[in-house]
Amino acid sequence: AAGVIQSPRHLIKEKRETATLKCYPIPRHDTVYWYQQGPGQDPQFLISFYEKMQSDKGSIPDRFSAQQFSDYHSELNMSSLELGDSALYFCASSEGPRSIQYFGAGTRLSVL
Amino acid sequence: AQSVSQHNHHVILSEAASLELGCNYSYGGTVNLFWYVQYPGQHLQLLLKYFSGDPLVKGIKGFEAEFIKSKFSFNLRKPSVQWSDTAEYFCAVGSGNTGKLIFGQGTTLQVKP
Repeated sequence: AAGVIQSPRHLIKEKRETATLKCYPIPRHDTVYWYQQGPGQDPQFLISFYEKMQSDKGSIPDRFSAQQFSDYHSELNMSSLELGDSALYFCASSEGPRSIQYFGAGTRLSVL
Repeated sequence: AQSVSQHNHHVILSEAASLELGCNYSYGGTVNLFWYVQYPGQHLQLLLKYFSGDPLVKGIKGFEAEFIKSKFSFNLRKPSVQWSDTAEYFCAVGSGNTGKLIFGQGTTLQVKP
């Protein structure tokens, strides 16, 4: 069965650089969520989209932005990267809000 | 604000021992409850879920959980753990109309062979 695809799997950036993380949901899933998991921490909700519109926003820094495109894939754009942004970024998709969320393998971002 | 609390941060068991991981949540409305497992170096996988109906839910790999509304709890159980159950376990609440997940702090389970 198709799963949530995230790219890249690993990303190394310098401070103050920008990064773009991509998420391709399971086919027919119209809802995408982004979570950030710091080392040894629980995943924290960042932002979500439903039918290409932002549906909810969590503890996402102003330096980050995201969108969902017409094919339902989503991109998380991160600018002016800081050391503290080093984390595992998960994307999850679901068939509508409040349904089961299926997670991708994550993108591990290291900011040096 | 909604929150999820997992009581056990690190649990060490021998194979065949029984497991119970505690999870309590604070949320005033209708809740969707989940347990996810994260094996070392892997992504989150759904173990089981509760949306409504029978408060005793069964998941994959022999796991089950019981929703007790009066105690705001959703504890995870397994009668006999295996070495392959070594992983991080997260309890989560689906919050609000958008269903964003609020996670607990996680419990690291180490099963000794």
